[in-house]
Amino acid sequence: NAGVIQTPRHKVTGKGQEATLWCEPISGHSAVFWYRQTIVQGLEFLTYFRNQAPIDDSGMPKERFSAQMPNQSHSTLKIQSTQPQDSAVYLCASSPLGGQGAEQFFGPGTRLTVL
Amino acid sequence: QQKVQQSPESLIVPEGGMASLNCTSSDRNVDYFWWYRQHSGKSPKMLMSIFSNGEKEEGRFTVHLNKASLHTSLHIRDSQPSDSALYLCAASRAGGYKVVFGSGTRLLVSP
Repeated sequence: NAGVIQTPRHKVTGKGQEATLWCEPISGHSAVFWYRQTIVQGLEFLTYFRNQAPIDDSGMPKERFSAQMPNQSHSTLKIQSTQPQDSAVYLCASSPLGGQGAEQFFGPGTRLTVL
Repeated sequence: QQKVQQSPESLIVPEGGMASLNCTSSDRNVDYFWWYRQHSGKSPKMLMSIFSNGEKEEGRFTVHLNKASLHTSLHIRDSQPSDSALYLCAASRAGGYKVVFGSGTRLLVSP
């Protein structure tokens, strides 16, 4: 079991460019979560999917952020027109659907730096 | 909006000492609590979970939960330098999968 896979591990973009982050959840896990983490704001919830369906995107900045899960083996987080304040570590986590209160398994994260 | 408050923000304990971390949720509908540990440069990993009132012990780690006050605490006895990390408390409601994390307690165990 390779765990949650995130690519790329590091991404540097110029202000105004687009960034796409990829996540491959643990096989068999049906819930996928996206968070971002900064020193100042801590770990912030962005969005989550259950059985590929978007359930809650209340943490997503509405205008420039979007997330998709086209199949059970990967999810993407896209940030359009990146801004310096988007610089953060973006973490993907997956969880088995079997029970509420299930543990989340985090990937290694993608460190996004916007110059 | 549900918030999870952790205290203290940072804590220094000597090697072999006891570390006590606190966490309170503002959401009266919270049913599940977790403690995650995040070493520097790594991603969070679940340390312990507690869903019922009372106490749960795993090795050097003990968690307490008081659902009436929505308060959980994590106690680490015989603290080791390898315990130095960011400890994140997390909570969620029954019937949902969204998990809210606190801002964490940064623990430093000094040799």
